[in-house]
Amino acid sequence: GAVVSQHPSWVICKSGTSVKIECRSLDFQATTMFWYRQFPKQSLMLMATSNEGSKATYEQGVEKDKFLINHASLTLSTLTVTSAHPEDSSFYICSARDLGAADGYTFGSGTRLTVV
Amino acid sequence: LAKTTQPISMDSYEGQEVNITCSHNNIATNDYITWYQQFPSQGPRFIIQGYKTKVTNEVASLFIPADRKSSTLSLPRVSLSDTAVYYCLVGDLQAGTALIFGKGTTLSVSS
Repeated sequence: GAVVSQHPSWVICKSGTSVKIECRSLDFQATTMFWYRQFPKQSLMLMATSNEGSKATYEQGVEKDKFLINHASLTLSTLTVTSAHPEDSSFYICSARDLGAADGYTFGSGTRLTVV
Repeated sequence: LAKTTQPISMDSYEGQEVNITCSHNNIATNDYITWYQQFPSQGPRFIIQGYKTKVTNEVASLFIPADRKSSTLSLPRVSLSDTAVYYCLVGDLQAGTALIFGKGTTLSVSS
């Protein structure tokens, strides 16, 4: 089936630095992508929805200036965590709208971010 | 998406059948019921989807009563590798909006 490749799978960064997470849809075009954050032993929390060529729509409480989302092409969406702090440490997961999937969505494998 | 209620956790032993029930009293006419599995440090994986009655695939069965206000995911003969979190989602997936996850059910399978 279709794959959403998410990189890196894990990253450690220092407080105050920025880190970029990439999600690429392989073999299909993803006009819409979704970004989630998941803290330990909690469920996935939707952060934002991005449509190719448009500004992302952020969920209430998610700082758009801190979590920059770019969806400049039909196969690539990026999430940049700016000025990261330890409380941003989490598991970040992307998902793409995939009309070829049985449920209509394909998830990335996730990125474990640790801010020290 | 319609709100769902699932047990927080379940325990089982290898070889047993596990049934996880999900309540979705406010399900709408166009809503489908979809179950996902998530292992630690991985993205969710689609298991099964249904609209009414019974759906079966190589992994699980999904039972949906006539009123569609609940559904039951049935995992036959579980193994240790079925230890995971299982999420029940209800919604009109044709709409293409974001999937909203509830708390899920943590299934622990022991030997």
